[in-house]
Amino acid sequence: QVQLVQSGAEVEKPGASVKVPCKASGYTFINYDINWVRQATGQGPEWMGWMNPSSGDTGYAQKFQGRVTMTRDTSTTTAYMELSSLTSEDTAIYYCARSGFGANSWFDYWGQGTLVTVSS
Amino acid sequence: DVQMTQSPSSLSASVGDRVTITCRASQDIWKYLHWYQQKPGHAPNLLIYAASNLQSGVPSRFSGSGSGTDFTLTVSSLQPEDFATYYCQQTYSDRTFGQGTKVEIK
Repeated sequence: QVQLVQSGAEVEKPGASVKVPCKASGYTFINYDINWVRQATGQGPEWMGWMNPSSGDTGYAQKFQGRVTMTRDTSTTTAYMELSSLTSEDTAIYYCARSGFGANSWFDYWGQGTLVTVSS
Repeated sequence: DVQMTQSPSSLSASVGDRVTITCRASQDIWKYLHWYQQKPGHAPNLLIYAASNLQSGVPSRFSGSGSGTDFTLTVSSLQPEDFATYYCQQTYSDRTFGQGTKVEIK
């Protein structure tokens, strides 16, 4: 069965970076995009960007351009999202989600989420 | 950026009620509109994709319609497990979520 497994929680200081892994299994990793979505407490989901695991191509939401990097390791079928220059505003649950390509890219499987807390 | 506006932001309903949630896009997004259900402590779960297609495993009481800028999610007969928050999402240009509709028990 398709699974996206994420680490439990990360605590970082303001100004630091965080790198969140997402381990995929149960399907051919390179055949679907991986998206990253974050959700602050009591807020709606916020899309951060997508990555094509086959080519490594990425597309980032304008809000996160210059601060987010999405990468992958095809040998371990793991996707990564790194966010830099953290502030308290970045405290949220970060989800990875699988999708098709282009406009037909609804998110059919999601990871369980990683809580990132930014605190001094 | 494509903005997505859901209405209402919350509603109270009873088991067995017919419930309708609307989502409006700031520009034409063709059929690239999807609906998710989220329960507290869980990731969103895909219900409807491409405006009107029921995701595998989702009960048939859920349905979606619309195209262009105006879309609707309908639950024909609300069940206890349907009390949750619902989000629309467009994937026509980048990806954007609506602000959500919380369905509460009356």
